[in-house]
Amino acid sequence: DARVTQTPRDKVTEMGQEVTMRCQPILGHNTVFWYRQTMMQGLELLAYFRNRAPLDDSGMPKDRFSAEMPDATLATLKIQPSEPRDSAVYFCASGSEGGSSYGYTFGSGTRLTVV
Amino acid sequence: EDQVTQSPEALRLQEGESSSLNCSYTVSGLRGLFWYRQDPGKGPEFLFTLYSAGEEKEKERLKATLTKKESFLHITAPKPEDSATYLCAVQARGGSTLGRLYFGRGTQLTVWP
Repeated sequence: DARVTQTPRDKVTEMGQEVTMRCQPILGHNTVFWYRQTMMQGLELLAYFRNRAPLDDSGMPKDRFSAEMPDATLATLKIQPSEPRDSAVYFCASGSEGGSSYGYTFGSGTRLTVV
Repeated sequence: EDQVTQSPEALRLQEGESSSLNCSYTVSGLRGLFWYRQDPGKGPEFLFTLYSAGEEKEKERLKATLTKKESFLHITAPKPEDSATYLCAVQARGGSTLGRLYFGRGTQLTVWP
């Protein structure tokens, strides 16, 4: 089965350090979402790309978060500097806009802990 | 503002006891309503997409229905392996929120033998 691959699976870092999370969307998918999941807030939409172009990043704290798609096989989410309140599970999801009947496929997530 | 509200927050059922989960939504033109299942430590897993009022979809013991304001996920004769968090999401057809996929907080379902 095709899958969305996220790395790293787990990350523990000290406050103030830069964190980079990576996502490999399913080949052929032209839409990518980044979400953050916490017990308090549930799934929060951080950013949304279509054909590698950022369509919406209004959910991201702009001063410390950035999202990019250097090419069609890689999406990145960076936090600099990281803070304890950034501790959460970060999910990437990909899909095809022409085939939303198949839904959007999520990766297994990156569990981030900032100490 | 686009919103998704799921109820109940948690549901405990005995094996074989059928029930329904609710997803109420407010969106400026519905492009699609999605149901996902999430197991602990994993990413959400796609179940269904519904597009218009009156539409229904089924998969094993699950059946999803859609009206203009809400969706129901009916679980018939559930088994312990159906225990999971069930998430609802909506996607707007147009306007400033075009394409955004908004999730509700989910319903945590526990089925005991």
